[in-house]
Amino acid sequence: GENVEQHPSTLSVQEGDSAVIKCTYSDSASNYFPWYKQELGKRPQLIIDIRSNVGEKKDQRIAVTLNKTAKHFSLHITETQPEDSAVYFCAASKANDKIIFGKGTRLHILP
Amino acid sequence: NAGVTQTPKFRILKIGQSMTLQCTQDMNHNYMYWYRQDPGMGLKLIYYSVGAGITDKGEVPNGYNVSRSTTEDFPLRLELAAPSQTSVYFCASSPRSHQGRANTEAFFGQGTRLTVV
Repeated sequence: GENVEQHPSTLSVQEGDSAVIKCTYSDSASNYFPWYKQELGKRPQLIIDIRSNVGEKKDQRIAVTLNKTAKHFSLHITETQPEDSAVYFCAASKANDKIIFGKGTRLHILP
Repeated sequence: NAGVTQTPKFRILKIGQSMTLQCTQDMNHNYMYWYRQDPGMGLKLIYYSVGAGITDKGEVPNGYNVSRSTTEDFPLRLELAAPSQTSVYFCASSPRSHQGRANTEAFFGQGTRLTVV
């Protein structure tokens, strides 16, 4: 079955700098790659997603890139702000199958 | 739409007790999932369902049972609670993808914080 690896487990960046979180997946049939943000004590919520027919997607300060050949995808956050501090999860799934999550990255934005 | 609703929000159980965590969604989603999240850790899939009457095991099913008699409801049953089941439990749902197309967003409930003492 699908296996999703996520790195790093913890990331600290200065406010205003960029943050990058990377994930790899094992099943070449996977075609949907969402990213979730979980604030302390809250539920995970979708922040951006990408499908396998697209190499990059951007939404304001957040972007996701996908390399199908290498089976990895990344989340990029630019101009980080204090409210970006949270745990971020990547995930992968294929049509009509369950979603598999990575183990999460705790992002700390330093003042 | 209320989305995905979980009850209760908090519960303390004694070792050996049993309970059912309730999850209901009003979005007519086919897929439903149960995850557990230990402190500072990621989401581990317990069970999932692709539609009414169909359930399947995830990564950590031992000690749990589920049923899916309706599209809306997906309760999680703990029969003999153990301290290792102390965790936050999240229910989630997502719509079925059209054949051959990618899945779509999963929506999470607010979680149930369970402590077994």
